[in-house]
Amino acid sequence: DAGITQSPRYKITETGRQVTLMCHQTWSHSYMFWYRQDLGHGLRLIYYSAAADITDKGEVPDGYVVSRSKTENFPLTLESATRSQTSVYFCASSESSFAAQVAKNIQYFGAGTRLSVL
Amino acid sequence: AQKVTQAQTEISVVEKEDVTLDCVYETRDTTYYLFWYKQPPSGELVFLIRRNSFDEQNEISGRYSWNFQKSTSSFNFTITASQVVDSAVYFCALSGKRYGGSQGNLIFGKGTKLSVKP
Repeated sequence: DAGITQSPRYKITETGRQVTLMCHQTWSHSYMFWYRQDLGHGLRLIYYSAAADITDKGEVPDGYVVSRSKTENFPLTLESATRSQTSVYFCASSESSFAAQVAKNIQYFGAGTRLSVL
Repeated sequence: AQKVTQAQTEISVVEKEDVTLDCVYETRDTTYYLFWYKQPPSGELVFLIRRNSFDEQNEISGRYSWNFQKSTSSFNFTITASQVVDSAVYFCALSGKRYGGSQGNLIFGKGTKLSVKP
């Protein structure tokens, strides 16, 4: 069982370039999330998606774009990478439920993508 | 606003010592969920436990135990007879109904880095 996979695991890019981080899950979970992890900040939500074609902003969405055309995929794009976007990015998914119950769902995380913007 | 505070940035213990990781949370929701995740040196995030706001029973799982006290808004994590393999960063997280328009995302503390020395 593959679970949730992120690619690439490591990425080095230059300022101004477009970068796409991939996230794929095999559980058919409705909810998917993107977090970034930075020293001193813990994990912060970038974007989330409740279902295919439904996405919404989190705490730190500026400079990022997401899409979700298929339930299993949730790519994160940095349209013009900046040094401040150097971070470790985690994708997560959680099972389907009624909206009122979503807070109880356990989120399962991918292994992370370490991105360096030079 | 929702907030999770892990006041201990780093803890170092010697193997076989007991250690408690503190977590204090703030929320206005009457129904909420608390989580602990472990991040070993390899970097992935591993789910450990979930607790809902209505269940104040302590939980024990092997060498791990959790003490949830609603009166003090705390959800502390104790490792008994620590082992070198327990070395990791531990995150406490809160899930409520709503944060800035999103639902079901986790609000993380900044984490406590535990080092267990042989």
